[in-house]
Amino acid sequence: KQEVTQIPAALSVPEGENLVLNCSFTDSAIYNLQWFRQDPGKGLTSLLLIQSSQREQTSGRLNASLDKSSGRSTLYIAASQPGDSATYLCAVSPETGGTSYGKLTFGQGTILTVHP
Amino acid sequence: DTGVSQDPRHKITKRGQNVTFRCDPISEHNRLYWYRQTLGQGPEFLTYFQNEAQLEKSRLLSDRFSAERPKGSFSTLEIQRTEQGDSAMYLCASSSRTGERNTIYFGEGSWLTVV
Repeated sequence: KQEVTQIPAALSVPEGENLVLNCSFTDSAIYNLQWFRQDPGKGLTSLLLIQSSQREQTSGRLNASLDKSSGRSTLYIAASQPGDSATYLCAVSPETGGTSYGKLTFGQGTILTVHP
Repeated sequence: DTGVSQDPRHKITKRGQNVTFRCDPISEHNRLYWYRQTLGQGPEFLTYFQNEAQLEKSRLLSDRFSAERPKGSFSTLEIQRTEQGDSAMYLCASSSRTGERNTIYFGEGSWLTVV
């Protein structure tokens, strides 16, 4: 059974700081890995998707890396802003792909607070 | 494109009552998923549909839960004889294999409180 762990559970940083969120998964047989953002009481917004054959993806101030063989991913946020405060979740989909790629296994999330 | 819509957003019900949630996916998406999320946890997969066919159900989906997608468009998730342990946010998501390669789009969720 796939298990996803995110470290740290919570992180508080001053505005402007660069930060790294970590995600690990126990079964390396994944189809892809996604990072999501969730604001309190809201749904999930997809930030970055990394296919299993890729090593990293970038979007603006966000950079996600994937080391499939070691079961690790990191989300790097540059020059953090108070508006980045949210819960960040990583999720993996099974290698079976096909119609089951949306059957995601999520970590518990990292609660990020960026204070002015 | 109005995104994934869920209704109602909040529902408070007494234990033992039945509740139904509706999800309208992004119009061109043929795949639809239901997840459940409790406070402080990541979402957990419940079930998914391709068009009107329900292809997989999690063991989390007890006999009191049923999901349908009768015409391959909107979907409903019904919980019968609700229990306090059913209190959670129920998230719907949809996806398509065309365009943005496998990205899954989530709705805002439906909060259920069983009292």
